[in-house]
Amino acid sequence: GENVEQHPSTLSVQEGDSAVIKCTYSDSASNYFPWYKQELGKRPQLIIDIRSNVGEKKDQRIAVTLNKTAKHFSLHITETQPEDSAVYFCAASLSFGNEKLTFGTGTRLTIIP
Amino acid sequence: DADVTQTPRNRITKTGKRIMLECSQTKGHDRMYWYRQDPGLGLRLIYYSFDVKDINKGEISDGYSVSRQAQAKFSLSLESAIPNQTALYFCATMAVAGGPGTGELFFGEGSRLTVL
Repeated sequence: GENVEQHPSTLSVQEGDSAVIKCTYSDSASNYFPWYKQELGKRPQLIIDIRSNVGEKKDQRIAVTLNKTAKHFSLHITETQPEDSAVYFCAASLSFGNEKLTFGTGTRLTIIP
Repeated sequence: DADVTQTPRNRITKTGKRIMLECSQTKGHDRMYWYRQDPGLGLRLIYYSFDVKDINKGEISDGYSVSRQAQAKFSLSLESAIPNQTALYFCATMAVAGGPGTGELFFGEGSRLTVL
């Protein structure tokens, strides 16, 4: 089955700086890669996703890049703010709408004021 | 707002006890899931269901069972709880491919279970 590795497990950045979280996946057939954000004590929520026919996708201060050849994808957060502090999970599945998402182990991002 | 509701939110129990975690949703989604979250291990899939007649094992189903009582209700049972089942449990729903919100998991607020 699919295996998703996520790094780093913890990340601290100064407010205003950029943060990058990286994930690798094992199944070359995977085609859908979402990112979920979980604030302290809250439920995970989808923040951005990318499909394999796209190399990069942006939504305001967040962006995701995908390298299918190398089987890795990354989350980029620019101009970080205190509300970006959370645990971020990457995930992979065989297709958009596929019932089985495999999640990475999570990255705890702390924004230092 | 349509939502995913889990009960209980917190539960402390003893080894060997039977525990049921319940999930109900008003999103009208067909697919329902149970995930387990442990520090450093991420979210791992226990069971998932496409409808009341379709139940599938996830990656860590041993020690757990589920029941899909209706399209809107999906419960998770631990027949004989053990300490390493102490975790945060999330129910989630997903729209069928092609419908609104397709592909996005909508999580409940979580049920924190402690097995002593």
